[in-house]
Amino acid sequence: DIVMTQTPLSSPVTLGQPASISCRSSQSLVHSDGNSYLSWLQQRPGQPPRLLIYQISNRFSGVPDRFSGSGAGTDFTLKISRVEAEDVGVYYCMQGTQFPHRYTFGQGTKLEIK
Amino acid sequence: EVHLVESGGGLVQPGGSLRLSCADSGFTFSRHWMTWVRQAPGKGLEWVANINDGGSEKYYLDSVKGRFTISRDNAKNSLYLQMNSLRDEDTAVYYCASLGQWGEYWGQGTLVTVSS
Repeated sequence: DIVMTQTPLSSPVTLGQPASISCRSSQSLVHSDGNSYLSWLQQRPGQPPRLLIYQISNRFSGVPDRFSGSGAGTDFTLKISRVEAEDVGVYYCMQGTQFPHRYTFGQGTKLEIK
Repeated sequence: EVHLVESGGGLVQPGGSLRLSCADSGFTFSRHWMTWVRQAPGKGLEWVANINDGGSEKYYLDSVKGRFTISRDNAKNSLYLQMNSLRDEDTAVYYCASLGQWGEYWGQGTLVTVSS
């Protein structure tokens, strides 16, 4: 099974400052079709998860452009260019490369305001 | 717009059973793989089971194999999770989702509490 490891697990950030979260997979996420199915999800307090980024770097519909994703192979990063109050929550990376057999999520990174 | 609504959660004793349901509206349910994901209190997300569009192909988390059964009724646009032999560690919010390979659509979740 692919294991997803996120760092840090907690990230206190000042409003207006950038934030960065890393995600590492235990094996390459390159699918046989050539794509890498690495997504980033946001979960605000009391809410279900929401898709932010898919296939490493594509913003989902309605996601602000202050969110960006990058990486390749086994190392991936989510960046928020200027953190806003509404960004508070837990961020998860998720691999869909093994779909339909399974999905795997990172442990989650809690973003909070200093 | 996709709208997934779960129901059927509640308090159940260890060893008991519960059936979760998920009703869809707003998208072509019968064409999509469907998924159950759970989240224990204060913990992260854990995939539980997948089912293909026709209901003939199913995959499960190892720890629920033989205890949980995912199914669907496309005529009713509904997804189900039959949970038997429930354990304390099954306590979680259970999300119905249509994730594909990206993670797009999630329901609001229903809480299952296993406790004596």
